[in-house]
Amino acid sequence: QQPVQSPQAVILREGEDAVINCSSSKALYSVHWYRQKHGEAPVFLMILLKGGEQKGHEKISASFNEKKQQSSLYLTASQLSYSGTYFCGTRGSGGSNYKLTFGKGTLLTVNP
Amino acid sequence: GAVVSQHPSWVICKSGTSVKIECRSLDFQATTMFWYRQFPKQSLMLMATSNEGSKATYEQGVEKDKFLINHASLTLSTLTVTSAHPEDSSFYICSARDPGLAKAQYFGPGTRLLVL
Repeated sequence: QQPVQSPQAVILREGEDAVINCSSSKALYSVHWYRQKHGEAPVFLMILLKGGEQKGHEKISASFNEKKQQSSLYLTASQLSYSGTYFCGTRGSGGSNYKLTFGKGTLLTVNP
Repeated sequence: GAVVSQHPSWVICKSGTSVKIECRSLDFQATTMFWYRQFPKQSLMLMATSNEGSKATYEQGVEKDKFLINHASLTLSTLTVTSAHPEDSSFYICSARDPGLAKAQYFGPGTRLLVL
């Protein structure tokens, strides 16, 4: 089942914060976050494994609530370079299949 | 970070011809690679999982005979679109699974296919 991302789109001014959510109807082993700019392939941001971990890289961080089967991506003090479509990819618990199922994406636009 | 290359970056071909796309992991060995297809403003659709030394696993609805996948080595997987038609025009992207603890997937830059 495809994870559900919200919001579908968000517009920010430079310096503002944003939260992107990703929720699944099935138990998850891991959540992967990517950013895709127009005309390019997705770029890996971070991966969160079950166990309820949080991760951060500069001003972009994420959390994974295993019990709620959801993850959130936090972008603080947004920069123009943060613009793009953000996808979460989920891997279900159980089995040895490493394939990811991607959400429909969240389009983030950061304006000056 | 891990680097995945893809070649060619774009290709235009006539209807009925076959097109081969290569995906290489440059600084790590990938026993598993994935092939995706993406239409404009849409999400990534997994086509198949490519496993080194064995047959690919195709997703439901993907024609095995049309999209041939070969994973001949730990750093190379190829996708061949056979007898391409205009409806096969799309953005094809591969990813390679890092065998490390995190099992992260890294995407290649993608190949734009236009079938005339």
